[in-house]
This record gives sequence, structure tokens and C-alpha cells, in this order.
Amino acid sequence: QKEVEQDPGPLSVPEGAIVSLNCTYSNSAFQYFMWYRQYSRKGPELLMYTYSSGNKEDGRFTAQVDKSSKYISLFIRDSQPSDSATYLCAMSSGGFKTIFGAGTRLFVKA
Amino acid sequence: DAGVIQSPRHEVTEMGQEVTLRCKPISGHNSLFWYRQTMMRGLELLIYFNNNVPIDDSGMPEDRFSAKMPNASFSTLKIQPSEPRDSAVYFCASSPMTGLGNTIYFGEGSWLTVV
Repeated sequence: QKEVEQDPGPLSVPEGAIVSLNCTYSNSAFQYFMWYRQYSRKGPELLMYTYSSGNKEDGRFTAQVDKSSKYISLFIRDSQPSDSATYLCAMSSGGFKTIFGAGTRLFVKA
Repeated sequence: DAGVIQSPRHEVTEMGQEVTLRCKPISGHNSLFWYRQTMMRGLELLIYFNNNVPIDDSGMPEDRFSAKMPNASFSTLKIQPSEPRDSAVYFCASSPMTGLGNTIYFGEGSWLTVV
């Protein structure tokens, strides 16, 4: 079993839809949870960063962490075609090692 | 503020040739990472440097791979000899490692094709 599981998709939604992206993990030592966005032929860029459980909102993006269920989510409200990218979840116990999910490919259709 | 700079952006080489990928981390970041990304295996950590010292190279797939960081502003990843299965995107990344979890900043990648 992988430490971090993420559905690779692809996920296709119409413009304006609410998008829900999810990851599950097995290592209870993870404390730091991140979402990276990767556009085609580019490097991943940090989108959201949360510590421990709870919610964090930044504009149209909301990250949720449920440590009891070992489950994290990223919600995108009012999705735009420019949100079309691969979204990678990532997590760390605080050391140098960050474990990445496989990434979910998202397509937002105009 | 310049991000992580990688070169070359694209490389096509023949099997058996030596490949050298280069990286300039973000100024002031004391940690540097080399990752490899493939469709099959996703993003894999190859090696991690802290203050120019290799800390963990357990992700380096074989002895054909080597990495160096001679100073705080430069690192190389070398593959010798290269094989077709080394074809992938290689990312260099750096982090300030503030102790608040490692926020990693990636370069745009070096796209390697070995034929």
C-alpha cells in the first residue's frame, strides 16, 4: 500500500462547477499537508499549505484536513478553465521528506 | 525574485551517453532536492542536500546516478551511462526549511529522453 493515495483522474467539469480533490494516507505521523498545482510542462507550484487538522481558505480554494480519517481535500469553487492542471497532494511529518500523491488531472471546460 | 533555475530544459541523448543536469536553487534556501517524475511512478525523491551536504540519497536508483552540490548556488545530477528507462522529467527544488514543514519550490524541470 502506498503511503499516499490519490485518484489520477482525469476529472472533467464544466466551468463554474465546484471541484473536490482528495487524498488518503496511512502514516499518522504526517503533520504538514500541501497541495501543489502543476500546469502542463511546468514544475509543481505550492497552492495551499496546512498544518494538522482543520480548514484553510484562500480565495476560491479551500483545503481540509481530517487527521482522524487520514483524509485531505481541496475544493475549488467557481472553477475556471485556467484551473485545468494536475493537482498533487503532498504531506510531511516535519522532516525533509515530503511524500507526493500521484496527482489528479483536472479539466475545466468553458 | 528568481525561482529555481534548471538547465537544460530539454535533452535528447543516445543510450550510453553521459547526461548532466544543472540547478541553481533560490538564494538563501539551504535545502536542495532532486526529484524524478514519470507517469508510472509519479514524483520520486532522488537525493536531498542540506547546507550543500548530501543527507539522503536512498532514492538514487543506481550507481549510474550521482549528484553534487559544490556550493550553495549550484548542483548537478549526472547519469552515466544513460539508459532509455531514465527518460523522465527531472526536477530540482529548494526549500528554506524553516522548521514549519518543508515548503518546496520547484524548477521547471529538465525533460530527458534517452533513445
